[in-house]
Amino acid sequence: QVQLVQSGGGVVQPGRSLRLSCTASGFTFNDNAIHWVRQTPDKGLEWLALLSDDGFNKFYADSVQGRFTISRDSSKNTLFLQLNSPTADDTAVYYCARSKGGRGSGLYYNFDYWGQGTLVTVSS
Amino acid sequence: DIQMTQSPSSVTASVGDRVTITCRASQVISSWLAWYQQKPGKAPHLLIFAASGLQSGVPSRFSGGGSGTQFTLTINSLQPEDSATYFCQQGHSFPPTFGGGTKVEI
Repeated sequence: QVQLVQSGGGVVQPGRSLRLSCTASGFTFNDNAIHWVRQTPDKGLEWLALLSDDGFNKFYADSVQGRFTISRDSSKNTLFLQLNSPTADDTAVYYCARSKGGRGSGLYYNFDYWGQGTLVTVSS
Repeated sequence: DIQMTQSPSSVTASVGDRVTITCRASQVISSWLAWYQQKPGKAPHLLIFAASGLQSGVPSRFSGGGSGTQFTLTINSLQPEDSATYFCQQGHSFPPTFGGGTKVEI
């Protein structure tokens, strides 16, 4: 049974750092790319970042490029999103999600399994 | 980035009704369009991929159509558990982008 279980959300002060985790079961990261997506009432759903199945390719949305870092620990089947110097605009529910299809397919950017979501609040 | 525009933003219907939601892409995206259902406090759930492919486990009353820039999600014989917000999302071009959502109330 495929599952993505998230942890690590909470309140973070502007300019500090926070790391979100996403632990997979029922599959391995070597088989699927994993994404981070966030949601706010104002901006809706926003794709943030992608780590390829081989772990070598990382892609980011312009809004987080240079501030957020995606990584993984394959031995623990866990994906991370490091939020560096967040601002109030980064306050959102953050989700990890699995690619439905392989690289080169339009299904690469469709998400068939999602974590439960974790709320990040950036506030002093 | 490709802009995804959904209409209507909300709809109220009765059990047994047919509901159709429209999604328009600002550029041609072939058939790389997905639909998700989201209930309050929960993550989105994939319903339809590649415009008309039914995700495993999704009831057959859900169907998708369209190609190019115009797409539809149809819910036949609406059920109480279909009360949710529905999002379209394009997977044709980087970065993937989502529509603003359509809230379906019963």
